Amino acid sequence: QSALTQPASVSASPGQTITISCTGSSSDVGNYNLVSWYQQHPGKAPKLIIYETTKRPSGISDRFSGSKSGNTASLTVSGLQADDEAEYYCCSYAGNDLYVFGTGTKVTAL
Amino acid sequence: EVQLVESGGGLVQPGGSLRVSCAASGFTFSSSWMHWVRQSPGKGLVWVSRINGDGSATAYADSVKGRFTVSRDNAKNTLYLQMNSLRDEDSGVYYCGRDSGAAGLPLDYWGQGTLVTVSS
Repeated sequence: QSALTQPASVSASPGQTITISCTGSSSDVGNYNLVSWYQQHPGKAPKLIIYETTKRPSGISDRFSGSKSGNTASLTVSGLQADDEAEYYCCSYAGNDLYVFGTGTKVTAL
Repeated sequence: EVQLVESGGGLVQPGGSLRVSCAASGFTFSSSWMHWVRQSPGKGLVWVSRINGDGSATAYADSVKGRFTVSRDNAKNTLYLQMNSLRDEDSGVYYCGRDSGAAGLPLDYWGQGTLVTVSS
């Protein structure tokens, strides 16, 4: 179970849009529409922001959106805000009751 | 209010054992699948294990299979992770998370974590 690949860091000015990629394989991301995304602020537990690749839990801003193409899933954050500064992790079902997380991406609002 | 509170972490020598717990409240525990996720210091998240509502079905990451056992006591609203033959790479903060019931790994509530350090 190799970790999904994410860029180490992404940065943008407040108000801009960023996209974080999450690349897996045909055994995980490419084979299932079961990608979740989590936001983690320093010293805090992760928070679910996207599930089943494109769905937002209740209470999550519509500035967050998820998509997938082939073996790569993406999280888009529009209108970047200071509070969006955090680490973001993707996670995919990998078959056989297994799950794999991504390597994590640190988002910075310049 | 949903609450998950982990406990039982600590320092253990390589090859040793430890059991961590997760006390749940504010929801129907016996109806919820539960997961354990580890975060090594300064590193990313790793899915460790999952158990269904009545404890009859479990799943483990390959890295812990045969060494870790997940269980639950629905009468006590408590989730457990028994960790045996511990290795340095098992060190980290262990979080329990509630599965929302959607597909994939949709953990909608997490505990604050308990730190396990494997070192001689």
